[in-house]
Amino acid sequence: DVKVTQSSRYLVKRTGEKVFLECVQDMDHENMFWYRQDPGLGLRLIYFSYDVKMKEKGDIPEGYSVSREKKERFSLILESASTNQTSMYLCASTNSGSYEQYFGPGTRLTVT
Amino acid sequence: ELKVEQNPLFLSMQEGKNYTIYCNYSTTSDRLYWYRQDPGKSLESLFVLLSNGAVKQEGRLMASLDTKARLSTLHITAAVHDLSATYFCAGENNNDMRFGAGTRLTVKP
Repeated sequence: DVKVTQSSRYLVKRTGEKVFLECVQDMDHENMFWYRQDPGLGLRLIYFSYDVKMKEKGDIPEGYSVSREKKERFSLILESASTNQTSMYLCASTNSGSYEQYFGPGTRLTVT
Repeated sequence: ELKVEQNPLFLSMQEGKNYTIYCNYSTTSDRLYWYRQDPGKSLESLFVLLSNGAVKQEGRLMASLDTKARLSTLHITAAVHDLSATYFCAGENNNDMRFGAGTRLTVKP
């Protein structure tokens, strides 16, 4: 069973704080993704990574950065959290050549 | 750029009825996915459609793909309350996946 875990289910942070969201997968997947989910907008891709130390911008990278130092771990960083970053954040992973993305349980971030 | 549109966004239906959710996409897509999401939970993969004319069925759900029309449908047969959830379609090109806004389905007894 593929497992994708995220460090927190719920997180409350203040405006201006630096926020780290961690995602770990245990199936040696090459590709990892960060999405945010907002009502009426579906999932929007923030960043993805094809390999260690590699990253690509998605649709909405502004205000975010990522880090992939190890294959199993993909971190999403909010350098200075703002209220418009209040959202559900979903991490996913997949192997090249595989058609299925496996999603983590999500982190609901509230920025006050 | 691949854009994916779903409709309807909200669907309320009686148990036992049939209905279809539509997913249109704007450019060529290598694959088309359907996911289910229950409240407070993450996304669960339902179907992956790879080629024109592909049809997949699981229980009361059947998904199909028409690449010429750039349309996928998710058909619900004889709905039951357990199918209440939000359903997302997503298109993919070269690992770039784009999601529709989701269809929130409520099945009423």
